[in-house]
Amino acid sequence: AQSVTQLGSHVSVSEGALVLLRCNYSSSVPPYLFWYVQYPNQGLQLLLKYTSAATLVKGINGFEAEFKKSETSFHLTKPSAHMSDAAEYFCAVSNQAGTALIFGKGTTLSVSS
Amino acid sequence: DTEVTQTPKHLVMGMTNKKSLKCEQHMGHRAMYWYKQKAKKPPELMFVYSYEKLSINESVPSRFSPECPNSSLLNLHLHALQPEDSALYLCASSQDATPSYDNEQFFGPGTRLTVL
Repeated sequence: AQSVTQLGSHVSVSEGALVLLRCNYSSSVPPYLFWYVQYPNQGLQLLLKYTSAATLVKGINGFEAEFKKSETSFHLTKPSAHMSDAAEYFCAVSNQAGTALIFGKGTTLSVSS
Repeated sequence: DTEVTQTPKHLVMGMTNKKSLKCEQHMGHRAMYWYKQKAKKPPELMFVYSYEKLSINESVPSRFSPECPNSSLLNLHLHALQPEDSALYLCASSQDATPSYDNEQFFGPGTRLTVL
């Protein structure tokens, strides 16, 4: 069965610092992986998705993620954090039937000035 | 139009009330979903509709009753809810309910439900 694990429920960075949010997946088949962001009192917005076309995936707002099959990881990075990046981030994998997203527990990103 | 809309944004109801949540999309998507999200937790799948037919019910109590009147509209009827049902209810849609790299789910802003 598919699953994702997000390491670190809370990450704090200074404005301008590198952001690294970790996600490891477990899947018996090629995984369909996604990163979503949720701002306070809002729905989820897709940041990026793995499409198998490239291992380095670029998303919105300067975020990118690298798919590493050998490490079963899909970590999210951003070179320079902005205050506006403070939010909850969810890594997700589609179940094998494609009928549901299986979410990690989420990582809260705090950005200080 | 890549938007999923949900109404109302906020809803407060008593345990004896009957209310409905509404979700709409005009992207031509044929799969629609209801999720429940408690504070500081990830969304939990409740129901999946595929081509207007209920395909998944994740053992949700009968006080939640979904309805898909047409391919663009999804309702969630609420009756005799409990205070522990207070949560953010999210609707989502996708092209269909099959595994694909391009079959991401688009989420609405949610309805914040409070049951007194």
